[in-house]
Amino acid sequence: SQTIHQWPATLVQPVGSPLSLECTVEGTSNPNLYWYRQAAGRGLQLLFYSVGIGQISSEVPQNLSASRPQDRQFILSSKKLLLSDSGFYLCAWSDGQGGHYGYTFGSGTRLTVV
Amino acid sequence: DQQVKQNSPSLSVQEGRISILNCDYTNSMFDYFLWYKKYPAEGPTFLISISSIKDKNEDGRFTVFLNKSAKHLSLHIVPSQPGDSAVYFCAASASGTYKYIFGTGTRLKVLA
Repeated sequence: SQTIHQWPATLVQPVGSPLSLECTVEGTSNPNLYWYRQAAGRGLQLLFYSVGIGQISSEVPQNLSASRPQDRQFILSSKKLLLSDSGFYLCAWSDGQGGHYGYTFGSGTRLTVV
Repeated sequence: DQQVKQNSPSLSVQEGRISILNCDYTNSMFDYFLWYKKYPAEGPTFLISISSIKDKNEDGRFTVFLNKSAKHLSLHIVPSQPGDSAVYFCAASASGTYKYIFGTGTRLKVLA
């Protein structure tokens, strides 16, 4: 069966520090991968998605970047965190059919920038 | 530009009664819709889906209705249970885009 792992679960970082959140998927190949963010009082905002190794689509201009160095690995990064980067970050995967069977989300990372 | 909107941020319902959560969208290219349930500090879990070729899909206590002309969908939960208390998100996708756009969520509280 397929599983998705996301870590860390919580993170407190000072403003201006770097960020690296990692997500891996097991039990499937060539998944579509996604990073979403849930900010306080807001919905789930799509940040990045990837349909293959090295293929990254950015949905909103921001202080973050994403990379997919391996088929089942998706990394969210920042060189210098801002207070506005605080939120709940979720990684998700779907099959190559575009997710018509739904996404499977990871358990999320609560990021607090102080 | 919020393409998927959930205009009710919260809803309280008595246990055993019907919960109706609403969702509106603006993009006529959307042809597949999902509902997710989310507990605090957890990832959302998939509940039910509907494609634009249908106007209703049912799975146990959950039914999703789609009104394409009004660009509106709703999730009905009957009967509502305290364990249904969570935030519910609707999401929409257009074929070939590989991505879902989520609404802002509705917090459902089922009172015992």
